[in-house]
Amino acid sequence: SQKIEQNSEALNIQEGKTATLTCNYTNYSPAYLQWYRQDPGRGPVFLLLIRENEKEKRKERLKVTFDTTLKQSLFHITASQPADSATYLCALEGLDSSYKLIFGSGTRLLVRP
Amino acid sequence: SQTIHQWPATLVQPVGSPLSLECTVEGTSNPNLYWYRQAAGRGLQLLFYSVGIGQISSEVPQNLSASRPQDRQFILSSKKLLLSDSGFYLCAWSIGDEQYFGPGTRLTVT
Repeated sequence: SQKIEQNSEALNIQEGKTATLTCNYTNYSPAYLQWYRQDPGRGPVFLLLIRENEKEKRKERLKVTFDTTLKQSLFHITASQPADSATYLCALEGLDSSYKLIFGSGTRLLVRP
Repeated sequence: SQTIHQWPATLVQPVGSPLSLECTVEGTSNPNLYWYRQAAGRGLQLLFYSVGIGQISSEVPQNLSASRPQDRQFILSSKKLLLSDSGFYLCAWSIGDEQYFGPGTRLTVT
């Protein structure tokens, strides 16, 4: 079955630095990968989608890479701000249905002022 | 623009009681609809998804059920709640590949 791994330990960084979060997956070759942000007590918010034929995608201070050989995606937030503190989830297209997303458990990011 | 509503926001129910959570979407037609559950500190577990009225796919065997009586309405139900049903329930919709989530319902079964 599909397995998605995100670092369960919180990432604690200083404001202004670049945060890098990792998403690894096994037993699958998804057509795309997505990143979401979730604040405590709230629903996840879609951030970026990257397809298997794209190496990198950017949106403002966000950058996502997708290495289908390593089966890994990196999510970068440049010039991080305390407001970026949240849990970030990666999600893959479901193995048995393109209608489904399979989510990782998320990595909590804490940006210190 | 599209909007998704869930209610209630919080719910405390005794074991063995019934459950009905409702989700409605505005501003779009024929969306795919989803119910997820998130346990404390855990990832999202897909419970049900629907690609059309009356079409429900169940992902996890459990005492929950889902229905889609209208195009933009998705209901999660249970006849008898278990303690293990406690969690944060999220409804989501999609037209393309990305999903858009509602505010969630915090359910505590006592």
